[in-house]
Amino acid sequence: DAGVIQSPRHEVTEMGQEVTLRCKPISGHNSLFWYRQTMMRGLELLIYFNNNVPIDDSGMPEDRFSAKMPNASFSTLKIQPSEPRDSAVYFCASSSDGPKAPQHFGDGTRLSIL
Amino acid sequence: QQPVQSPQAVILREGEDAVINCSSSKALYSVHWYRQKHGEAPVFLMILLKGGEQKGHEKISASFNEKKQQSSLYLTASQLSYSGTYFCGTDATDSWGKLQFGAGTQVVVTP
Repeated sequence: DAGVIQSPRHEVTEMGQEVTLRCKPISGHNSLFWYRQTMMRGLELLIYFNNNVPIDDSGMPEDRFSAKMPNASFSTLKIQPSEPRDSAVYFCASSSDGPKAPQHFGDGTRLSIL
Repeated sequence: QQPVQSPQAVILREGEDAVINCSSSKALYSVHWYRQKHGEAPVFLMILLKGGEQKGHEKISASFNEKKQQSSLYLTASQLSYSGTYFCGTDATDSWGKLQFGAGTQVVVTP
């Protein structure tokens, strides 16, 4: 079975540009999570969706970040405008049953903002 | 709110045992354990739900003391493949499904 698929795997762009990260969760999973990982802050939850509805976005750093889940098989995380401090690895994860189920992580997007 | 993991790092020789601890200040519904190798995504190891159950995965097992809001991960007879960073993720009873991850424990197993 296919796991969580993220694209792109790597993104290098200049400060001020719009960045869009994409995620396809595992088929049948109803929860989707966006995380950011840095050396300084570790693994942080940015936002999570249940049945395509955003449940908690308190981890989204600021208004420059937005996330959508238009359907059960696709989600995006957008940064506009991007800043160097947004450089990190962004992971998408999905699970089948909220807190009772394991979260399956995608391979991540390594984002570098110059 | 972030759980506290200890130790920060541990170096083992193949075959040795280790314990990683995870402690939270909040009442917990579940504790998740993940392992991440360098440059890769975190990989799920196990979930412990409140009730104090103990689980196992290969020679890795874990316990959960809900009264103390603590969980421990036991690496028994460690193998080279156990090297990586171990994270606990805690799900507080008031935050349905939202995991807070600890800072991680780096484990290095040497031949």
